[in-house]
Amino acid sequence: GAGVSQSPSNKVTEKGKDVELRCDPISGHTALYWYRQSLGQGLEFLIYFQGNSAPDKSGLPSDRFSAERTGGSVSTLTIQRTQQEDSAVYLCASSLHGHTRGNQPQHFGDGTRLSIL
Amino acid sequence: GQQVMQIPQYQHVQEGEDFTTYCNSSTTLSNIQWYKQRPGGHPVFLIQLVKSGEVKKQKRLTFQFGEAKKNSSLHITATQTTDVGTYFCAGRSIQGAQKLVFGQGTRLTINP
Repeated sequence: GAGVSQSPSNKVTEKGKDVELRCDPISGHTALYWYRQSLGQGLEFLIYFQGNSAPDKSGLPSDRFSAERTGGSVSTLTIQRTQQEDSAVYLCASSLHGHTRGNQPQHFGDGTRLSIL
Repeated sequence: GQQVMQIPQYQHVQEGEDFTTYCNSSTTLSNIQWYKQRPGGHPVFLIQLVKSGEVKKQKRLTFQFGEAKKNSSLHITATQTTDVGTYFCAGRSIQGAQKLVFGQGTRLTINP
């Protein structure tokens, strides 16, 4: 596609349920990032993928959070046993190359707005 | 670890006034990028600065990269209502293959 695509755009779920968020990066982009943005706040880095591997998972808040990327393309972020503090907008971004190949801009999707009741 | 700080956190101006946001890094940067996020939208890349002391302009926006490559600024001349949004800087440390670290952003609101 032309841009980064995220689904669903909105997700409302009950506390304790698991959720899966999907990101489809720009075709050919090898690097993929997940961020979390709470209302009115900045971007909190979660995880970085280079191809299918995740050399930097340092931002994942707890072991309830996991992510994978398959085929060097689509990524899913899974939150298990959701808590109310998980409510936020989850943004995905992709760039042509990762950290080791210079400085490319990141292209963001529209995000998934997650609300935990 | 590397930290990127932005000030001010919020700025409210009258339409037509100028606006500046400042970005400071705890480490020397290889480059700095600026993004704009409109209300309800996602961050959109504006520009990248790489050279020490570099100045780039985009219409009414002027971006500067400090001589020491540890700070940067974005200045908007004669703001318009379309400038409303949050402006983020993001820097990458020169130390190794480091990820881009985003500042907390400056939210600009404008009184028409």
